[in-house]
Amino acid sequence: EPEVTQTPSHQVTQMGQEVILRCVPISNHLYFYWYRQILGQKVEFLVSFYNNEISEKSEIFDDQFSVERPDGSNFTLKIRSTKLEDSAMYFCASRRTGEKLFFGSGTQLSVL
Amino acid sequence: SQQGEEDPQALSIQEGENATMNCSYKTSINNLQWYRQNSGRGLVHLILIRSNEREKHSGRLRVTLDTSKKSSSLLITASRAADTASYFCATDITGGSYIPTFGRGTSLIVHP
Repeated sequence: EPEVTQTPSHQVTQMGQEVILRCVPISNHLYFYWYRQILGQKVEFLVSFYNNEISEKSEIFDDQFSVERPDGSNFTLKIRSTKLEDSAMYFCASRRTGEKLFFGSGTQLSVL
Repeated sequence: SQQGEEDPQALSIQEGENATMNCSYKTSINNLQWYRQNSGRGLVHLILIRSNEREKHSGRLRVTLDTSKKSSSLLITASRAADTASYFCATDITGGSYIPTFGRGTSLIVHP
């Protein structure tokens, strides 16, 4: 079965630094998502992306966050100035219209 | 939000027993999906049931959908220790953008 791949699997950064989390969605999928999960808590929606633009975002997705699809394959989440509370597992997902979500295995972000 | 709410929050059973978990939602849907998450990993899609379907099977999984009650159930028969995970539902609402949001899930522990 096709897979969504995420890199890196672990990222450690200092507070205030910028991080870029990378995702390669499945090639014929049109909808892309970022979610995060703080340890022990539920999976939270951050942002969805369709037709090269953000289609919806949650209140968590504030000005420190941005997403890009710099080329035909990659989908990135940038956190501009990381805070301690940004420490979480970040998941990328993709899908075709009306079908199931395929999730990546996540990037564990630790902000020190 | 298309958040599904899972019930119970936690379920502990012995290997070989059946496990039933429920999901309730609020608006008309096109489909409902169940996902599974092993600790610290990405969500894995289990089964999708469309609004015109009442029951669906996949291996040891049986999903029912009652659109009049806006509820669904997931039954895992003859459970195994490897079924230990958290289980989530998400919905694709009628006429809306598909932004699946997840509740706190049902944490299933299957004791060998």
